[in-house]
Amino acid sequence: NAGVTQTPKFQVLKTGQSMTLQCAQDMNHEYMSWYRQDPGMGLRLIHYSVGAGITDQGEVPNGYNVSRSTTEDFPLRLLSAAPSQTSVYFCASSAGGVWGGFPEQYFGPGTRLTVT
Amino acid sequence: QQQVKQSPQSLIVQKGGISIINCAYENTAFDYFPWYQQFPGKGPALLIAIRPDVSEKKEGRFTISFNKSAKQFSLHIMDSQPGDSATYFCAASSYSGAGSYQLTFGKGTKLSVIP
Repeated sequence: NAGVTQTPKFQVLKTGQSMTLQCAQDMNHEYMSWYRQDPGMGLRLIHYSVGAGITDQGEVPNGYNVSRSTTEDFPLRLLSAAPSQTSVYFCASSAGGVWGGFPEQYFGPGTRLTVT
Repeated sequence: QQQVKQSPQSLIVQKGGISIINCAYENTAFDYFPWYQQFPGKGPALLIAIRPDVSEKKEGRFTISFNKSAKQFSLHIMDSQPGDSATYFCAASSYSGAGSYQLTFGKGTKLSVIP
């Protein structure tokens, strides 16, 4: 099992450019999410998905789009990059929710994005 | 509105000492409290977690203490080692239906264990 993989590892964009951060998991997890990590801010939820075809917004969704066409993949799209989106982005996945049990969230290695 | 407050921001502990990190939450609907450990350049990884029906959970040198009435929980690392040097995040979550668990994270504590 590769677990949660993210590409690219590093990316530099100019303001206004668009790009897609890729996330894939091979654990057949239903739940996937995207976080951004900024110094002193912890991890903040951008978007999440509870299964293929279902997505919802997290705490900081503005400027980002997601879609979930397969169980394995959950790409994050930056529509028009801004310097405020300079951050480290983490994708995470977990098994579907079962009442009485909390599935562990597995994080990918992250993508470090710089917007100039 | 910050729903999970974590302190301190940074912590320096001598090897063999006890590291203590504290978190407080506001949302009484939270029913799951994990701690994540993150090494530089890596993604966070689950360290230990607790549900509010117990007051303490211990796994090796790591212990979570939970105080439901005070809405506080803490991580204790006994016999701290240089290899424990990392950033630690507390988090809280509640099951919101349809398999959806949203984790709310604290801002993190950078722990440095010096030899």
